Amino acid sequence: DAKTTQPNSMESNEEEPVHLPCNHSTISGTDYIHWYRQLPSQGPEYVIHGLTSNVNNRMASLAIAEDRKSSTLILHRATLRDAAVYYCILRDRAQGGSEKLVFGKGTKLTVNP
Amino acid sequence: GAVVSQHPSRVICKSGTSVKIECRSLDFQATTMFWYRQFPKQSLMLMATSNEGSKATYEQGVEKDKFLINHASLTLSTLTVTSAHPEDSSFYICSARRGQSYNSPLHFGNGTRLTVT
Repeated sequence: DAKTTQPNSMESNEEEPVHLPCNHSTISGTDYIHWYRQLPSQGPEYVIHGLTSNVNNRMASLAIAEDRKSSTLILHRATLRDAAVYYCILRDRAQGGSEKLVFGKGTKLTVNP
Repeated sequence: GAVVSQHPSRVICKSGTSVKIECRSLDFQATTMFWYRQFPKQSLMLMATSNEGSKATYEQGVEKDKFLINHASLTLSTLTVTSAHPEDSSFYICSARRGQSYNSPLHFGNGTRLTVT
């Protein structure tokens, strides 16, 4: 599986935007970029995914570099409930590619009141 | 609301006993479910892929005779930790894909915290 690199931790203040970076320099043309987050003592939760174009949903935005070697998850206004570990994961969409998600260490986001 | 339900949420058992964890997809059918394990302050580690009507596929290093997986229906997969030992104490999490698209997101249960004494 292609690898992703994320900072171990980041801090933000409540109601401010947060930009969570992810490097994936070995990404292949068939890899989708997925983001999940895990709140303390819970299972992971899907946030967003994309292939080439930037994506928006009610939770966040995903900005993908033109060369696809990096991406940024954007939380437009952080709340205390956004404090979690955020995982950037590559998922191979090619036929025969595995559905499974392989989690790295992720970024632990702390939101200060 | 939750689309994947896991039960029990917590279990304490004695060393040598077996524990069964259930994972249900609540309003969709899941031909494939995934089982993960997470130790404190670590990331999720994939243990196995559970396939409805066939044998599970285990990741390297995971003992299939110790972690028995049964996916008897399209909405239920079970993980049985046999002859549990204290080192099996961990947070076990299941997930399933909802939707026909290959890239449909995975939904996760809220996990089962197993403590073996």
